[in-house]
Amino acid sequence: DTAVSQTPKYLVTQMGNDKSIKCEQNLGHDTMYWYKQDSKKFLKIMFSYNNKELIINETVPNRFSPKSPDKAHLNLHINSLELGDSAVYFCASSSWDSGNTIYFGEGSWLTVV
Amino acid sequence: DAKTTQPPSMDCAEGRAANLPCNHSTISGNEYVYWYRQIHSQGPQYIIHGLKNNETNEMASLIITEDRKSSTLILPHATLRDTAVYYCIVKRVDNNDMRFGAGTRLTVKP
Repeated sequence: DTAVSQTPKYLVTQMGNDKSIKCEQNLGHDTMYWYKQDSKKFLKIMFSYNNKELIINETVPNRFSPKSPDKAHLNLHINSLELGDSAVYFCASSSWDSGNTIYFGEGSWLTVV
Repeated sequence: DAKTTQPPSMDCAEGRAANLPCNHSTISGNEYVYWYRQIHSQGPQYIIHGLKNNETNEMASLIITEDRKSSTLILPHATLRDTAVYYCIVKRVDNNDMRFGAGTRLTVKP
């Protein structure tokens, strides 16, 4: 079973659209994250939720809104998509019980045209 | 959290040990050294972490110098599938904020 799963894996959409990427983890972790990896391959943290509470919120446009319906899910909603939003988005999770080692999903490749 | 310095790229012959260095001269006493790798187009993969003692698991060994200012990740018998970008990160174990640098691109050659 995949520990951290994201859907969709690939998404091509037009500028101005609103889209969501879903993430689920079955590790029983209490903290979840979204990272962005752009074309230059730098991996940057965007958000972190602990027990459904936002604890890290980097300087990200407010068009990006994470939503955590429960501890096992952290979805990423993006409004009014722009060309510069094209990137790979990685969901991740961790737990204090496991030494806060972060485990990543396989990524969602977003292309805005 | 302390910053790390890694060489941008390294080569290794298949079957030989790959030794990836990392400098973290400003590491604090309560900060751990974590290693991750990212194989092309995949999510980052946890490898190993340690505080001050050397650590070994099924994937690799981590050697931390006595002053903790540097460390080396050792892949004992590198294979072509170990070609990846390797990231060295230091952070407190109670800190959820993991920041990635540029890493070292390891190329294992036949």
